[in-house]
Amino acid sequence: EAQVTQNPRYLITVTGKKLTVTCSQNMNHEYMSWYRQDPGLGLRQIYYSMNVEVTDKGDVPEGYKVSRKEKRNFPLILESPSPNQTSLYFCASSPYREYTQYFGPGTRLTVL
Amino acid sequence: RKEVEQDPGPFNVPEGATVAFNCTYSNSASQSFFWYRQDCRKEPKLLMSVYSSGNEDGRFTAQLNRASQYISLLIRDSKLSDSATYLCVVNNNNDMRFGAGTRLTVKP
Repeated sequence: EAQVTQNPRYLITVTGKKLTVTCSQNMNHEYMSWYRQDPGLGLRQIYYSMNVEVTDKGDVPEGYKVSRKEKRNFPLILESPSPNQTSLYFCASSPYREYTQYFGPGTRLTVL
Repeated sequence: RKEVEQDPGPFNVPEGATVAFNCTYSNSASQSFFWYRQDCRKEPKLLMSVYSSGNEDGRFTAQLNRASQYISLLIRDSKLSDSATYLCVVNNNNDMRFGAGTRLTVKP
C-alpha cells in the first residue's frame, strides 16, 4: 500500500530535550516536505527536499533541522524544543515537479 | 496580508445545495494550484489540481483566474460526506503555501 508514515504519532516532551520525528514514504517520490498546523494559521511549510541531499527552508524553518540521506526518509529534528513548537506536524511527499502531495497521518507534539 | 487567503466560513448548506469557495493569492508568479480537503484534524488529502482552463471532477469544478489572482471550487449536489475543511494551496517555486481553510458542513 502506497503510504507516508510518521512516528511517533503523539509526543509530550519538555523544553530543551532533543527529539526526532521520522517520516518515510514508499512511493519513490523525489519531493518531501514538513508542515506544522496551528489553529487559525493553516499549514505552514517548515522545510522541503527536492531529492537526496537537497533541502531548502520553507516558511517557518527556525528551530528545526532536516536531513535527506535516503530518498524514502525525511526526519524532522528539534534540537532544543520550546513550547511555541507545540503543534500538529505533517510530512508529505510527491512526485518530482507534480506537487500533488500525499500526507502522513500527523504527529501531535506538546512541549511543556 | 497573508499570502493565501480563504473565507474561514463556516458554510452550512443543506444536502443537494451548490456551494462555492474562493481563495486569493498574492504572488503573481505562483506556478500551480490545488484544492485539498481535511477532515477533523486528519491529514489533508488532494481533491484536485487547478488548471488555467478550469477542470471538473464529478460534482467538483475548479477554476483559476490569474489576472485577478484567485482560484475557486464549486461543489454541486452537496452530500453529507462533503462536510470537511477545504484548503487552497499555491506553489511558489517549490515553496507550498496553504490557506487556513474553509469549513463546510452539509446538513440533512
